[in-house]
Amino acid sequence: GAGVSQSPSNKVTEKGKDVELRCDPISGHTALYWYRQSLGQGLEFLIYFQGNSAPDKSGLPSDRFSAERTGGSVSTLTIQRTQQEDSAVYLCASSPRALAVYEQYFGPGTRLTVT
Amino acid sequence: GQSLEQPSEVTAVEGAIVQINCTYQTSGFYGLSWYQQHDGGAPTFLSYNGLDGLEETGRFSSFLSRSDSYGYLLLQELQMKDSASYFCAAHSGGYQKVTFGTGTKLQVIP
Repeated sequence: GAGVSQSPSNKVTEKGKDVELRCDPISGHTALYWYRQSLGQGLEFLIYFQGNSAPDKSGLPSDRFSAERTGGSVSTLTIQRTQQEDSAVYLCASSPRALAVYEQYFGPGTRLTVT
Repeated sequence: GQSLEQPSEVTAVEGAIVQINCTYQTSGFYGLSWYQQHDGGAPTFLSYNGLDGLEETGRFSSFLSRSDSYGYLLLQELQMKDSASYFCAAHSGGYQKVTFGTGTKLQVIP
């Protein structure tokens, strides 16, 4: 079956522009996470969606970052007025069960470069 | 706050056993999971410990001691393909809060 997909795979943008990153989770997975990974670093939690519940936005680094999940499936992470420090790989993960979100399936990521 | 510590690099010989340690400081701790990530690839789930003790999955085992805020990943019969980064991740706040460690880069040498 299809895994988690993300698009675009690479995105180069100029400082100050807005970008949208897309995540298609595995069909039927109720939980969805966004993470950010800088070169050689660990994963930084950004936001968590679980079904129709209000998302946990506690990891978003600033109000320039926002995310939505439509119909409990596809999710979009938007970064407004991008800064060079936003350059990183943005990873999306989904999980099949609310009580087993430790087992996350990751997408290939979107490499964002802000010039 | 939440923090996890792992060694940054480990080198081991093919066929040997290696242990990657993880210590954590996490309020509302639920459990510890482990992920493998090859260079340029996505993290893949290896194991989860919600209770103290050892969990075994093939060549990989993971251990948790809540009283010591400590866990480890044990890799046996090392293969060259095991060369990768390994991350521990602490779950809290009803599972959904996930804090990853900075990762341990394992190099397996012949």
